[in-house]
Amino acid sequence: AQSVSQHNHHVILSEAASLELGCNYSYGGTVNLFWYVQYPGQHLQLLLKYFSGDPLVKGIKGFEAEFIKSKFSFNLRKPSVQWSDTAEYFCAVIVFSGNTPLVFGKGTRLSVIA
Amino acid sequence: DTEVTQTPKHLVMGMTNKKSLKCEQHMGHRAMYWYKQKAKKPPELMFVYSYEKLSINESVPSRFSPECPNSSLLNLHLHALQPEDSALYLCASRGDSGNTIYFGEGSWLTVV
Repeated sequence: AQSVSQHNHHVILSEAASLELGCNYSYGGTVNLFWYVQYPGQHLQLLLKYFSGDPLVKGIKGFEAEFIKSKFSFNLRKPSVQWSDTAEYFCAVIVFSGNTPLVFGKGTRLSVIA
Repeated sequence: DTEVTQTPKHLVMGMTNKKSLKCEQHMGHRAMYWYKQKAKKPPELMFVYSYEKLSINESVPSRFSPECPNSSLLNLHLHALQPEDSALYLCASRGDSGNTIYFGEGSWLTVV
């Protein structure tokens, strides 16, 4: 079964700092990869997704992620964070077949301070 | 229409109550899911329905009872819940093409 590892439990950054959140998955076959964000007290929102093609994926709110197949990684990046980016970030993977569910990493809490 | 609609958005219930959460999608998706999410934790899979049949039950206590009356609807019946069952309950659906999953906004459940 597939699994997802997010290396950082809690990241604290100052405004305008650059962000990179790590995500690794374990599965040998074809997968689709996602990053979700959850602002305090709110529901999940999809930031970006990778299915195929260009391994550099751009999402909403200035986020991007790079799929590196050889490293089984899908790290999330943003060049300059804002206070409003304070949230939980979840990496997730789904196997490209059948009805298998989306599997989430444990999440990374991002706190952006002024 | 790429929406998964969940009702109610908020529910407060006593430990002896019986209530239901409802999920609806009109995208023709044949796989539907229930997840449970506690604060600051990732969503945890509860149930998977495929073509209106229960295909995965992640050892969920029987006080949670899923139901799929038709291909557009997924219910979660709640009975004799505990305070620790308070959480955000998320519904999701997935199309046959396999590569897109849609989440509803969730139902915030508080058990008192």
